[in-house]
Amino acid sequence: DAKTTQPTSMDCAEGRAANLPCNHSTISGNEYVYWYRQIHSQGPQYIIHGLKNNETNEMASLIITEDRKSSTLILPHATLRDTAVYYCIAVRGAGNMLTFGGGTRLMVKP
Amino acid sequence: KAGVTQTPRYLIKTRGQQVTLSCSPISGHRSVSWYQQTPGQGLQFLFEYFSETQRNKGNFPGRFSGRQFSNSRSEMNVSTLELGDSALYLCASRAGSATNEKLFFGSGTQLSVL
Repeated sequence: DAKTTQPTSMDCAEGRAANLPCNHSTISGNEYVYWYRQIHSQGPQYIIHGLKNNETNEMASLIITEDRKSSTLILPHATLRDTAVYYCIAVRGAGNMLTFGGGTRLMVKP
Repeated sequence: KAGVTQTPRYLIKTRGQQVTLSCSPISGHRSVSWYQQTPGQGLQFLFEYFSETQRNKGNFPGRFSGRQFSNSRSEMNVSTLELGDSALYLCASRAGSATNEKLFFGSGTQLSVL
């Protein structure tokens, strides 16, 4: 699986969009980009995933660059409950054998 | 629908002991995978079971083992505990093995080895 690089931490004002970047410059053609988040004392929660096209669901939007070397997770209207560690991973195939790195600690402030 | 349930939530053991952790997947889910999460190493894949068969295994020593029952419930066992086994152990389930299926995680078992 391709290595991903994320900023260690980010702040966002409540109600504003949170844009979390992820670099995966060595991603191969059959690797998906997945995003999970983990709120303190809970297990990771799936957010969204994509291969080539941009994706949107009820939680977030995923923007993948045309060369697929980076992506951005967008939380359109961040709330205090979105404070968590966000993990970006590039996974081949079923996406089950996950390895998370350090992730981005997002702090949403009032 | 109930989520993934892991028991116990917290566990304290001493070096050399063994421990068994339990995971009940979401109803109808046939795949269960286990992960170890530590501050230093992040989250690492242990193994996956599907229909009672181990399908994938991560890079952990043989002291870590697991099994899955016919009702899809799974147990993970760690023998001869070491201090470094202190971690949050997470279980995740999914319905099948399709490429795009997402994982649903439980809240984990926090194991402390003294």
